[in-house]
Amino acid sequence: DSGVTQTPKHLITATGQRVTLRCSPRSGDLSVYWYQQSLDQGLQFLIQYYNGEERAKGNILERFSAQQFPDLHSELNLSSLELGDSALYFCASSNTGAFYEQYFGPGTRLTVT
Amino acid sequence: SQQGEEDPQALSIQEGENATMNCSYKTSINNLQWYRQNSGRGLVHLILIRSNEREKHSGRLRVTLDTSKKSSSLLITASRAADTASYFCATDAWENEKLTFGTGTRLTIIP
Repeated sequence: DSGVTQTPKHLITATGQRVTLRCSPRSGDLSVYWYQQSLDQGLQFLIQYYNGEERAKGNILERFSAQQFPDLHSELNLSSLELGDSALYFCASSNTGAFYEQYFGPGTRLTVT
Repeated sequence: SQQGEEDPQALSIQEGENATMNCSYKTSINNLQWYRQNSGRGLVHLILIRSNEREKHSGRLRVTLDTSKKSSSLLITASRAADTASYFCATDAWENEKLTFGTGTRLTIIP
């Protein structure tokens, strides 16, 4: 158990809908990272927040947005969902702003039908 | 797009044998890490090697890094059934502060 929690574990929704994925980092970790894992794209970094501020951006679509709250939990919002958004979405945390030794949550499996 | 390519894509060996996976990347890096992922679950950090290091050990893991060839290898010695998983390399670079993952090697240990 990494100490990072993600909810929900599974999500099934229809095209065009909007969903929110939630992540609670390990106690004391200030950085949260979001990743998407799909069969065709592999593991892709989406976005990083550090202590409430956006720190780095990866291959995140404009339909997706994220935020980190004062209690350091983070939410990833996915809107106007398409079939191709079906994937595993991982959150990771670390106690630094650097990109190493991240602790990954169990993931949210999103299925868009 | 993926920064790293891993080789082989899949590997099956008998329990007790050694497993070697390779990772090649395209641009200069700051650090290279190896992660393990059990089927459909989160990634677990295994080991980090910095660009100025050539070799690192952690338990049954041995990682090498050759920056001139832009490649790294992960050796798992005396494999166990519990080592069955996918293994990913991930790199970060000074000028591109994000973690970029390779395509992964699926390792199966046959009891």
